[in-house]
Amino acid sequence: EVQLVESGGGLVQPGGSLRLSCEASGFAFSDKWMGWVRQAPGKGLEWVANVKEDDSASHIVGSLTGRFNIYTDSAKKSLFLEVNSLRVEDTAVYYCGKWDCTAACHLAYWGRGTLVTVSS
Amino acid sequence: QTIVTQEPSFSVSAGGTVTLTCGLRSGSVSTSLQVSWYQQTPGQAPRTLIYNTYTRSSGVSDRFSGSILGNKAALTITGAQADDEADYYCLLDLRDFWEFGGGTKLTVL
Repeated sequence: EVQLVESGGGLVQPGGSLRLSCEASGFAFSDKWMGWVRQAPGKGLEWVANVKEDDSASHIVGSLTGRFNIYTDSAKKSLFLEVNSLRVEDTAVYYCGKWDCTAACHLAYWGRGTLVTVSS
Repeated sequence: QTIVTQEPSFSVSAGGTVTLTCGLRSGSVSTSLQVSWYQQTPGQAPRTLIYNTYTRSSGVSDRFSGSILGNKAALTITGAQADDEADYYCLLDLRDFWEFGGGTKLTVL
């Protein structure tokens, strides 16, 4: 059974940083795409970033490049999102996802999410 | 910036059929732009329903189907049930960039 478990969220002041983690199990991590989607309170879903398991390719939504960084640790079957210079508008539930890019890419599995609250 | 459009809300009678759509503010959605659909109930993580425009995800009821209608992608729900009441999001794969629609809040009457 595929499981994705996020951690690392919490309350942080504006300008602060966090590292979100996602531990994967139940599937072979190699050669897979993983990524993050976020959802602000009461709002819709927003794609944040994707990365290939070996870090050979990654994509981050344009508005977040320079502040967010995505990478993996294949040995630990883990995905990370470094979020820097946090703003109030970054407050959201951050979902980890396993992407299937066999044809086009779509989200095949979702974690339960970790809440990031940016507030002074 | 590309904008993906969805109806903000829709209602359907229990047992009825409803079609939700997913379009582009500029341009048309075709099978060359692969679409996936997701269902989210309050307080829960999203669940994958449809991918590659037409293919149902494992375990998803055949009451859910994906298609192209005109210049939009569509999600059709037949025999609507109370637990279909949820938010529905489409996601477009725009080649190294992905964008969700704003979501449709479906009410089952």
